Amino acid sequence: KNEVEQSPQNLTAQEGEFITINCSYSVGISALHWLQQHPGGGIVSLFMLSSGKKKHGRLIATINIQEKHSSLHITASHPRDSAVYICAVRPMNRDDKIIFGKGTRLHILP
Amino acid sequence: KAGVTQTPRYLIKTRGQQVTLSCSPISGHRSVSWYQQTPGQGLQFLFEYFSETQRNKGNFPGRFSGRQFSNSRSEMNVSTLELGDSALYLCASSRGGSTGELFFGEGSRLTVL
Repeated sequence: KNEVEQSPQNLTAQEGEFITINCSYSVGISALHWLQQHPGGGIVSLFMLSSGKKKHGRLIATINIQEKHSSLHITASHPRDSAVYICAVRPMNRDDKIIFGKGTRLHILP
Repeated sequence: KAGVTQTPRYLIKTRGQQVTLSCSPISGHRSVSWYQQTPGQGLQFLFEYFSETQRNKGNFPGRFSGRQFSNSRSEMNVSTLELGDSALYLCASSRGGSTGELFFGEGSRLTVL
């Protein structure tokens, strides 16, 4: 079992829909990152969380440390939101190598 | 403020050759980390450097090595290239510490023939 699991793996939605991407992890963490990767490669950091909730524009990220779960929400989705969204965690121990989820491929139809 | 710069962006090598990739972090950032991304394995951690010291190393063979210079610029080297080393190699910089936000470069896409 992967230490970081994302769901769904693929998601297609209509423009304007509310999108939720989930991330579950099995280790204690010091931080969780949500990353966005558009076709062509470049990765952009969307959020870094260690507790609670953060909002940036139409994007909202939440984390529940006790349940080892985080969600990324996109409100009023737009075709330009089409990308791969990757969850990554930094374990809270001496071996704190970042572990990545497999990513969620999101396609927003106009 | 300039972002993270990786060079070269694209390169083609043949099996058995070696390659050196470079990463210049954002000014003031002292931590640089490297990642390999392939369609099959996704993103995998390679190394992390802070103030010229390797903090962590991922589960890659000894053919993969790296270093960081006093100006925080970092290089990674892959010797005796194999076909399976074809990948996008990404570096990220941060101010340092386990809760630092990561800023990624555009990556170096390596093709091994």
